[in-house]
Amino acid sequence: QKEVEQNSGPLSVPEGAIASLNCTYSDRGSQSFFWYRQYSGKSPELIMSIYSNGDKEDGRFTAQLNKASQYVSLLIRDSQPSDSATYLCAVNMGAGSYQLTFGKGTKLSVIP
Amino acid sequence: DAGITQSPRHKVTETGTPVTLRCHQTENHRYMYWYRQDPGHGLRLIHYSYGVKDTDKGEVSDGYSVSRSKTEDFLLTLESATSSQTSVYFCAISESTRAETGELFFGEGSRLTVL
Repeated sequence: QKEVEQNSGPLSVPEGAIASLNCTYSDRGSQSFFWYRQYSGKSPELIMSIYSNGDKEDGRFTAQLNKASQYVSLLIRDSQPSDSATYLCAVNMGAGSYQLTFGKGTKLSVIP
Repeated sequence: DAGITQSPRHKVTETGTPVTLRCHQTENHRYMYWYRQDPGHGLRLIHYSYGVKDTDKGEVSDGYSVSRSKTEDFLLTLESATSSQTSVYFCAISESTRAETGELFFGEGSRLTVL
């Protein structure tokens, strides 16, 4: 059973702080990793993708990947109330795989 | 804007009735997907398509069928709806030409209630 695990939260951070969201996955052969943001009642929206070990930065967002530890994280710097949402980690399990496996999501609340 | 439209957006039906959800895209992308999202389970893949008449099963395909007779339309059918199929259904497309993609664009969702 290929699994993607996330803490369900809620994770509460004050406005301006760094929010750290974590994800672990079970399949060591996983190749590509994604973070989606989902506002309540809305559809998921891709915010970051990462394919190799290390950090990838895009604006206030940084994705971190450690394949040896089977761990992916998302850092949100200078958190804003508009970042309050559920963040979904998703993993593609390898070459030729059409299937993304999603975690259940972490709910983030940024307190003004 | 990936140009994805789902219909209907909301539907209430009774157990045992057939239901068809439609996903329409305007960009002629090759890969299309149907997911369901339930509390405590997250997003789970039902079926996907990699071209006209080319479809395959996902993680939770039992009780569902799909068809793709045109590039732009991907239909999800519940032949005989059950209460366990009450869910929010999302269609997604990939703009990539590669199969191994996780960069998906989702439609607005279809909320189905089976009484």
